[in-house]
Amino acid sequence: NAGVMQNPRHLVRRRGQEARLRCSPMKGHSHVYWYRQLPEEGLKFMVYLQKENIIDESGMPKERFSAEFPKEGPSILRIQQVVRGDSAAYFCASSLRSAELSLAYEQYFGPGTRLTVT
Amino acid sequence: AQSVTQLDSHVSVSEGTPVLLRCNYSSSYSPSLFWYVQHPNKGLQLLLKYTSAATLVKGINGFEAEFKKSETSFHLTKPSAHMSDAAEYFCVVSGETGTALIFGKGTTLSVSS
Repeated sequence: NAGVMQNPRHLVRRRGQEARLRCSPMKGHSHVYWYRQLPEEGLKFMVYLQKENIIDESGMPKERFSAEFPKEGPSILRIQQVVRGDSAAYFCASSLRSAELSLAYEQYFGPGTRLTVT
Repeated sequence: AQSVTQLDSHVSVSEGTPVLLRCNYSSSYSPSLFWYVQHPNKGLQLLLKYTSAATLVKGINGFEAEFKKSETSFHLTKPSAHMSDAAEYFCVVSGETGTALIFGKGTTLSVSS
């Protein structure tokens, strides 16, 4: 049973370019979460999505960042016009059921995408 | 608001000696608490979770944690460290809405032979 898959594992972009990060949740999981890890820091929540819906985007920067989880295919985190401060590791997690139904939900994490902006 | 504080940024132990990684939390309700481990350049792996059942929680690889409500603590322990335990450990609390996880800043565990 494959775990959460993320690609690419490493991504290098010049300032001003776009970055697209992909996440395929575990089989049977329909809830996806994106987190960002800056150097020397813990992970910070960005956004929570279900299929075709953004449920909670309270951690997303107001500009340049967007996320989607279409009916078919992986979840995409898109960063437009990247800046050096966007350099970080971006982790995706998935869960089997909605957190609102139970506090005992578990999130399973992917290996992350390390974005470097030059 | 929920928050979590990991009291040590680095912990160094010798192989075969006990491990103690300290974590205090703040929450306006009874939270779910987790410990995750991250090996270099790898994703995060769930070690154990507390969800208001038994206060002493056993996890994988010999780790366990005790939930102490009076002290708002959820310290991670292991009786005997192994070289393969060297990694970054994160104490995590469920967010207010339940959708987000709130991470501590992490504790780096070093194990020497």
